[in-house]
Amino acid sequence: AQKITQTQPGMFVQEKEAVTLDCTYDTSDQSYGLFWYKQPSSGEMIFLIYQGSYDEQNATEGRYSLNFQKARKSANLVISASQLGDSAMYFCAMREAYATASKLTFGTGTRLQVTL
Amino acid sequence: SAVISQKPSRDICQRGTSLTIQCQVDSQVTMMFWYRQQPGQSLTLIATANQGSEATYESGFVIDKFPISRPNLTFSTLTVSNMSPEDSSIYLCSVEGEGYTFGSGTRLTVV
Repeated sequence: AQKITQTQPGMFVQEKEAVTLDCTYDTSDQSYGLFWYKQPSSGEMIFLIYQGSYDEQNATEGRYSLNFQKARKSANLVISASQLGDSAMYFCAMREAYATASKLTFGTGTRLQVTL
Repeated sequence: SAVISQKPSRDICQRGTSLTIQCQVDSQVTMMFWYRQQPGQSLTLIATANQGSEATYESGFVIDKFPISRPNLTFSTLTVSNMSPEDSSIYLCSVEGEGYTFGSGTRLTVV
């Protein structure tokens, strides 16, 4: 069975600094996908970044990058140049196979607070 | 990526009543997913809805409590039946895709 672990319930970062949110996963599948979502207080889920298990390069999307270490089964999210609007809950999730018609399993989330 | 319109955005309901949540997608999709997020918790999948067939429910969720309709490839509803305060949660629909688009969520409070 899949499992996603986020060990940081809360994190603080100063504006303009970089922050790393941790995510480890456990799966017996060879093919899987890893996702990060942002959830503001409004409750919507905003897709940030995706990493496939066979992708050799770390994914990047603007200020977001995913530090993928397959041997360690970790998929940490790095946010560069933090902004006040980055304050939100962040969830790591995994899809069990490359096929798109598969459910996502979510971690418990990390609440990020960006300070002045 | 797909755009999902989810309604209502929030509601306060009396215990024992039912609420139907709707999700309309701007493109045809095969699979739709319904999640529940209890206060302060992560997202838990309720069921997967495939057009033209019965929804597939996850362990701990039953059709009598959470009936799902999927009449076509762009629309689905989730009903929360015979509600109790424990059903107070955010309910979200989602569609397949590389980024898995989510609806804006329905914040339900049962009093």
